[in-house]
Amino acid sequence: KAGVTQTPRYLIKTRGQQVTLSCSPISGHRSVSWYQQTPGQGLQFLFEYFSETQRNKGNFPGRFSGRQFSNSRSEMNVSTLELGDSALYLCASNSGQVTDTQYFGPGTRLTVL
Amino acid sequence: AQTVTQSQPEMSVQEAETVTLSCTYDTSESDYYLFWYKQPPSRQMILVIRQEAYKQQNATENRFSVNFQKAAKSFSLKISDSQLGDAAMYFCARGTGANSKLTFGKGITLSVRP
Repeated sequence: KAGVTQTPRYLIKTRGQQVTLSCSPISGHRSVSWYQQTPGQGLQFLFEYFSETQRNKGNFPGRFSGRQFSNSRSEMNVSTLELGDSALYLCASNSGQVTDTQYFGPGTRLTVL
Repeated sequence: AQTVTQSQPEMSVQEAETVTLSCTYDTSESDYYLFWYKQPPSRQMILVIRQEAYKQQNATENRFSVNFQKAAKSFSLKISDSQLGDAAMYFCARGTGANSKLTFGKGITLSVRP
């Protein structure tokens, strides 16, 4: 099976812009979770989507949003970018059972100038 | 806050030797799961090993094994016969039966000396 894929792998944006990141889960997986990784804060949970619904949410401002499509692919959107949003954004998928292991994609490196 | 702590930021091991990476966690849940993930410079987070809290037996995967001490809330990873390809950042993580959210430690950078 193909693994989790994320596009694009790299992005450079300027403050105030918005950005959309995409994640395609492993075939058959119905849950997609998003994490932000920074040197200072480490890995932090953003949100999880299951069956096109947000099932769980981390402690991030409303500028961070997401959605999931009927084929389980997910997108994450960040509006009004700030310098502090520069990070590696990782998505992970699993079957949808909350106890199932999550498998990660290669990440999207976002740089905000 | 329910945290995961990796107190050693860096470790080094000689090729073919054994190294142990430490992790402690805090949780009020009775149903939880523990993981070690490896993140090489390529950034892809790879699952190394998983341990269910309700299992007394320590998980093993080839050269990787854990020492799970439930009462002490300790979950260390032992890498035997270290190889150059083991060089990476290793993250300890905790999941619960309540939701899919993983809580990660800060990670430890492991270097392997040839």
